[in-house]
Amino acid sequence: EIVMTQSPATLSVSPGERATLSCRASQSISSNLAWYQQKPGQAPRLLIYGASTRATGVPARFTGSGSGTEFTLNISSLQSEDFAVYSCQQCHTWPRTFGQGTKVETK
Amino acid sequence: QVQLQESGPGLAKTSETLSLTCTISGGSIRSSSWSWIRQPAGKGLQWIGRMYTSGSTNYNPSLKSRVTMSVDTSKNQFSLKLSSVTAADTAIYYCARDVVMAGPSWFDPWGQGTLVTVSS
Repeated sequence: EIVMTQSPATLSVSPGERATLSCRASQSISSNLAWYQQKPGQAPRLLIYGASTRATGVPARFTGSGSGTEFTLNISSLQSEDFAVYSCQQCHTWPRTFGQGTKVETK
Repeated sequence: QVQLQESGPGLAKTSETLSLTCTISGGSIRSSSWSWIRQPAGKGLQWIGRMYTSGSTNYNPSLKSRVTMSVDTSKNQFSLKLSSVTAADTAIYYCARDVVMAGPSWFDPWGQGTLVTVSS
């Protein structure tokens, strides 16, 4: 199965600053990657699919990029509601696999 | 819009079978395929399996020998059974809709999740 590795595990950022999250696949997955946001007690929320397409209702400050094995999620100016855990998922082969998540916390 | 809600016992005994149900509202279960995903505390998400309303299923090879998924279209529900559970199966269990686009697929929306603890 494809192993997804996210870095860093925790990212400390001040509100208004930019956050950059990385996701690496153990083999090429083309652009078949999704990003999710998780908050405690809430359903995971789809943010990005196809590596760079924002899901419905997702603010423009969230930008996904990358292809092959290296992917990035950028949050241009962190709002209070953006502090959460972000997980990537490869959509390329079965079984679908996820990264371990990056926690974005307040600095 | 489509909403999903997991239900079932929050406690399962070691070596027994964990059973959960996902109820879909705001849409038809026949419109898509559906997956179960879990997350142990402090760990990443793990896809368990998916099923179609035809009854066809795909399971994660790491769990395949213990997983059974089924569907009840009359109730707009699908279910998960995981047998011979151990403490390692303690996790938040989510159900989610598969969104398929010419091959690649992702999950949207998800249910809120339900915590299942396995203990003797």
